[in-house]
Amino acid sequence: QQQVKQSPQSLIVQKGGISIINCAYENTAFDYFPWYQQFPGKGPALLIAIRPDVSEKKEGRFTISFNKSAKQFSLHIMDSQPGDSATYFCAASRGGSNYKLTFGKGTLLTVNP
Amino acid sequence: DGGITQSPKYLFRKEGQNVTLSCEQNLNHDAMYWYRQDPGQGLRLIYYSQIVNDFQKGDIAEGYSVSREKKESFPLTVTSAQKNPTAFYLCASSISTLGYTFGSGTRLTVV
Repeated sequence: QQQVKQSPQSLIVQKGGISIINCAYENTAFDYFPWYQQFPGKGPALLIAIRPDVSEKKEGRFTISFNKSAKQFSLHIMDSQPGDSATYFCAASRGGSNYKLTFGKGTLLTVNP
Repeated sequence: DGGITQSPKYLFRKEGQNVTLSCEQNLNHDAMYWYRQDPGQGLRLIYYSQIVNDFQKGDIAEGYSVSREKKESFPLTVTSAQKNPTAFYLCASSISTLGYTFGSGTRLTVV
């Protein structure tokens, strides 16, 4: 059972464009939704995260939009740059003593110069 | 600098052999995790540990074993029972759900 569904699998964007990656979850107990960025041969690194008490969070060019009723959240990368080319993973977890993160399958983003 | 160290970076295993992947952290994090990454499959949880001397199976624990004798260390053994061990293995730690820190991974290849 895939608890976090991520789309698209791959995305090609021109420099300066907007990259949008979407995720949907099933478990209504999830209360923490991070995004991770991974470059080839490296471990993922936390990019930005949101909790369901807010509908949007922005950090620089990266924005998470959250729709609790639809059980969906998305990552928007404004003014996409070639250096943003990486694999992006959404994830979700419950708070409290359960530390497990459930990851989506990832989106390979390519930003063309 | 604080962080997670995984070693070795590349590992080759013959069929039928057990191999152990090392993961050490100096972040004073309580929880540690092992994930397996395959192309198009995302990150799948193998084992996790929230405190020393305790660990739990994740979604794909069959053919793997772990130990947590020290807070800083969480080694993963890939046994001969793991049918398809070739993958990229990632270790992570956290002090809460508020952000994992990942190591740089170990790429295991069966030869």
